[in-house]
Amino acid sequence: AQSVTQLGSHVSVSEGALVLLRCNYSSSVPPYLFWYVQYPNQGLQLLLKYTTGATLVKGINGFEAEFKKSETSFHLTKPSAHMSDAAEYFCAVSDIYGGATNKLIFGTGTLLAVQP
Amino acid sequence: KAGVTQTPRYLIKTRGQQVTLSCSPISGHRSVSWYQQTPGQGLQFLFEYFSETQRNKGNFPGRFSGRQFSNSRSEMNVSTLELGDSALYLCASSLEGLKPEAFFGQGTRLTVV
Repeated sequence: AQSVTQLGSHVSVSEGALVLLRCNYSSSVPPYLFWYVQYPNQGLQLLLKYTTGATLVKGINGFEAEFKKSETSFHLTKPSAHMSDAAEYFCAVSDIYGGATNKLIFGTGTLLAVQP
Repeated sequence: KAGVTQTPRYLIKTRGQQVTLSCSPISGHRSVSWYQQTPGQGLQFLFEYFSETQRNKGNFPGRFSGRQFSNSRSEMNVSTLELGDSALYLCASSLEGLKPEAFFGQGTRLTVV
């Protein structure tokens, strides 16, 4: 079965510092991968996605992620954190074994705090 | 283009009651999925509907059910509510295609007392 592991349930950075949120997936074939952000009492907003092609994916709000097949990783980065980046971040993988489905399998989330 | 709309945003129900949540997908999206989000279990897939048919189901008891209408709007129903059903219920809509991204609504916060 597919799964997603997010290392670090809580990450704290200073404003202006590098943001690195870790995501590892398990899948026997290259999956489709996504990063979502959730603000308090809100739904999920798509930051970026990897399907095929270029392994470095750029998303909204200055975030990017690199798909590394050899490491089964899809870490999310941002060069300089902003106070408005404080939120919970979820890595997700498409269920490739479920046939015709749009089901996503989510990691447990990483709560990002940004200190002034 | 309007996003995914979920109603109501907040609900308080008593144990044993039943509840119906509604989701209107993005225009043109025929796939609607439902997820339950709790602090303990995280985001868990409930079910997915496509063209009025349930085509995928998560590991939830039969008290959780759903349906989709011809205009792609979807409802989910929870009967005989339990305290543990308190959660944020999220609806997502997707275009049909090669694993496209899911667009989420703001969710319905259900509190069972």
